[in-house]
Amino acid sequence: GIQVEQSPPDLILQEGANSTLRCNFSDSVNNLQWFHQNPWGQLINLFYIPSGTKQNGRLSATTVATERYSLLYISSSQTTDSGVYFCAVGYSSASKIIFGSGTRLSIRP
Amino acid sequence: SQTIHQWPATLVQPVGSPLSLECTVEGTSNPNLYWYRQAAGRGLQLLFYSVGIGQISSEVPQNLSASRPQDRQFILSSKKLLLSDSGFYLCAWRATGRTSYEQYFGPGTRLTVT
Repeated sequence: GIQVEQSPPDLILQEGANSTLRCNFSDSVNNLQWFHQNPWGQLINLFYIPSGTKQNGRLSATTVATERYSLLYISSSQTTDSGVYFCAVGYSSASKIIFGSGTRLSIRP
Repeated sequence: SQTIHQWPATLVQPVGSPLSLECTVEGTSNPNLYWYRQAAGRGLQLLFYSVGIGQISSEVPQNLSASRPQDRQFILSSKKLLLSDSGFYLCAWRATGRTSYEQYFGPGTRLTVT
């Protein structure tokens, strides 16, 4: 099955800093999502990005499917960005997606 | 727009008691439905998914079962809870028949087995 690795596992930053989170996957996929799990446990959809680059405010993501990785960029971090960031990948023909183990981001004021 | 509901939000149950968690989706038809479990400080584990009424696929052998009695209703059950069943249970849905295969999650149920 597909293997998904996220790095780093933990990241502690000061408010205002920028960060890059990485997601590597072991097979060619055409379904990739980034989620943010807030401290209350809610999983919030950030990007659906099987390929290319997307931006939403201070967040952007890039997926290079041919090289089997995706990057999530967070600029000018705020304390509300704290939480766990997951990437999940799969095949569009399949019904399920596989989650990475997540990156725990802590933004200090 | 689509909305996904889960209840209860929190639950404390003794070992050996039964369990029933419910998930419903509004605003879409014939969705794929999913149950995930997240242990404290861990990633998400897919438990069951369903592509239609009465169609259940199990991912992990365990003490739990799932049912889909209606198109937009997904139920997670157990006859006798174990301590290891504690965790955060998340329901998700995905549209079918589209080019986007994005999954959307409900607010979750936090289960503590004592």
